[in-house]
Amino acid sequence: SYELTQPPSVSVSPGQTASITCSGDKLGDKYACWYQQKPGQSPVVVIYRDSERPPGIPERFSGSNSGNTATLTISGTQAMDEADYYCQAWDSTTVVFGGGTKLTVL
Amino acid sequence: QVQLQESGPGLVKPSQTLSLTCTVSGGSISSGSYYWSWIRQPAGKGLEWIGLISTSGSTNYNPSLKSRVTISVDTSKNQFSLKLDSVTAADTAVYFCARWLLGTDHFDYWGQGTLVTVSS
Repeated sequence: SYELTQPPSVSVSPGQTASITCSGDKLGDKYACWYQQKPGQSPVVVIYRDSERPPGIPERFSGSNSGNTATLTISGTQAMDEADYYCQAWDSTTVVFGGGTKLTVL
Repeated sequence: QVQLQESGPGLVKPSQTLSLTCTVSGGSISSGSYYWSWIRQPAGKGLEWIGLISTSGSTNYNPSLKSRVTISVDTSKNQFSLKLDSVTAADTAVYFCARWLLGTDHFDYWGQGTLVTVSS
């Protein structure tokens, strides 16, 4: 079965750039998206179709996907960005989520 | 604005069937641009996809749950449903329903989630 691998945690200082990776076999051949989930809330998509940003999502969120790795980049990270982030892709007939990355802003 | 709302028992006994319904408002479930899906999340853990259904009734399931899962759709009520058989404590989780946007391969709207506990 297809798997997506994320680092369990990433730390960043306020105002700096955070990068969260998601690895999977030939992931670049698929669309990758990213969800942000804060405690007690439903996930919210912040990036879809590799690099598209939904309405209302700040410009500091960006994404890329090539080879075996998709990357979510948060520029000028703010305290409000502290959350769990999940990557997701569609593989043949199944939806696959990464294990999630806890972003700490400190 | 599309809204999804999960409903169903919050407590299910081991070996019984978990049944949940997702009611869609603010848009028709019959639109051909979307599929409809269930996802779950055990406390403190990550997201696990359960399955999805088209408005014509075709389904795709997580292989690890396929033998126990049935997802159905009722377009007349603008609802879709989840049944998970033979539950154990490992099925205790927050269950989310979500809308899958075709052609972009992502969930664009989610319900608020409902906690289902499996316990005697």
